[in-house]
Amino acid sequence: NAGVTQTPKFRILKIGQSMTLQCAQDMNHNYMYWYRQDPGMGLKLIYYSVGAGITDKGEVPNGYNVSRSTTEDFPLRLELAAPSQTSVYFCASSRQGVELGTEAFFGQGTRLTVV
Amino acid sequence: DQQVKQNSPSLSVQEGRISILNCDYTNSMFDYFLWYKKYPAEGPTFLISISSIKDKNEDGRFTVFLNKSAKHLSLHIVPSQPGDSAVYFCAAVGRDDKIIFGKGTRLHILP
Repeated sequence: NAGVTQTPKFRILKIGQSMTLQCAQDMNHNYMYWYRQDPGMGLKLIYYSVGAGITDKGEVPNGYNVSRSTTEDFPLRLELAAPSQTSVYFCASSRQGVELGTEAFFGQGTRLTVV
Repeated sequence: DQQVKQNSPSLSVQEGRISILNCDYTNSMFDYFLWYKKYPAEGPTFLISISSIKDKNEDGRFTVFLNKSAKHLSLHIVPSQPGDSAVYFCAAVGRDDKIIFGKGTRLHILP
């Protein structure tokens, strides 16, 4: 029962480097989300997807890109890492969208530091 | 501009007493609300939710109350237990399917 799996768990990037944060879910959920959590700031929505091939911007999309070529995977791409992107990143998924009564399940998070 | 506000960064409650966590929202188009609990170094876990057509939902020790006219919801935990010490996030969902979170309230259960 893997649920939502995020890799890597930790990463240190240099300014200007790029990387992809991986997120996979094995629950056949249609909806997937990416959040970042900064200290004292709660969770901010970066991007979300309501199904394969469909992505939408959240509250803080700048500096990130996503794709959703399969139902299972929702990678988050940082093209030019900046210190402001130092954060803990959480991926989540839900079956149909939470307003239909199915809550979102979260991964364990990826702690990213940009130096 | 925060759409979901949790104005108390932290709260301390004696074990066995009632914990009340509050949340306010500004967007009247939200139609579903959730509470999540988070331990350090873990992802948030779902606790309880409520639809905007209801004013109360109960699940064991957890009850969520919604006051739509005041755009306010609260989570009651009774009785509070040591394992309830965590950060609690209020979240809201609108027709666009975005789940918007508040900043969280850290709950300390005192022995």
